[in-house]
Amino acid sequence: ETGVTQSPTHLIKTRGQQVTLRCSSQSGHNTVSWYQQALGQGPQFIFQYYREEENGRGNFPPRFSGLQFPNYSSELNVNALELDDSALYLCASSLVGGGWDNEQFFGPGTRLTVL
Amino acid sequence: QKEVEQDPGPLSVPEGAIVSLNCTYSNSAFQYFMWYRQYSRKGPELLMYTYSSGNKEDGRFTAQVDKSSKYISLFIRDSQPSDSATYLCAMSATGNQFYFGTGTSLTVIP
Repeated sequence: ETGVTQSPTHLIKTRGQQVTLRCSSQSGHNTVSWYQQALGQGPQFIFQYYREEENGRGNFPPRFSGLQFPNYSSELNVNALELDDSALYLCASSLVGGGWDNEQFFGPGTRLTVL
Repeated sequence: QKEVEQDPGPLSVPEGAIVSLNCTYSNSAFQYFMWYRQYSRKGPELLMYTYSSGNKEDGRFTAQVDKSSKYISLFIRDSQPSDSATYLCAMSATGNQFYFGTGTSLTVIP
């Protein structure tokens, strides 16, 4: 069984740039959630994708957008980067409808630094 | 008021001690409850998952949910130095959007 993987591991961008983060879900999972974790804080829910559709969104502006692909992998895109976007971005996958609904398994994260 | 409150610690205990970690919440609709362990600069690792109220035990770990008090706990028995990490509680009403506590930093001293 393959766990959740994320790329890249680290990323440095400047203010105003755009970034794309990638996530491969755990084998057999059909749902991907993205979280932002600032230093010393708990993860904050950005949005979730189920069957390639957005299935819930947290309190993040529209410049945070996402995609889920037919193989259930996912991308998080952030436009017009701001300094406060510096954080660990976590992807979590889960299986909805398989008897173990909603258990979310996290990847190692992508650490984004905005200068 | 935050959806989930968690004492950030830090908490320091001797090896072999029983550790009690707690979270309180305000949303009575929460019914999915999880505990995660996170090592420095790593992603959270799922420890326990509980639906609705009650207790759940897995090895040295016991999770308790008291929905009437809006209070959840994680107990770690016979704590080990390898248990040193940040522990995060997470909860949800719908099972898709999870709300996390800020995490409690635990150090187990050999």
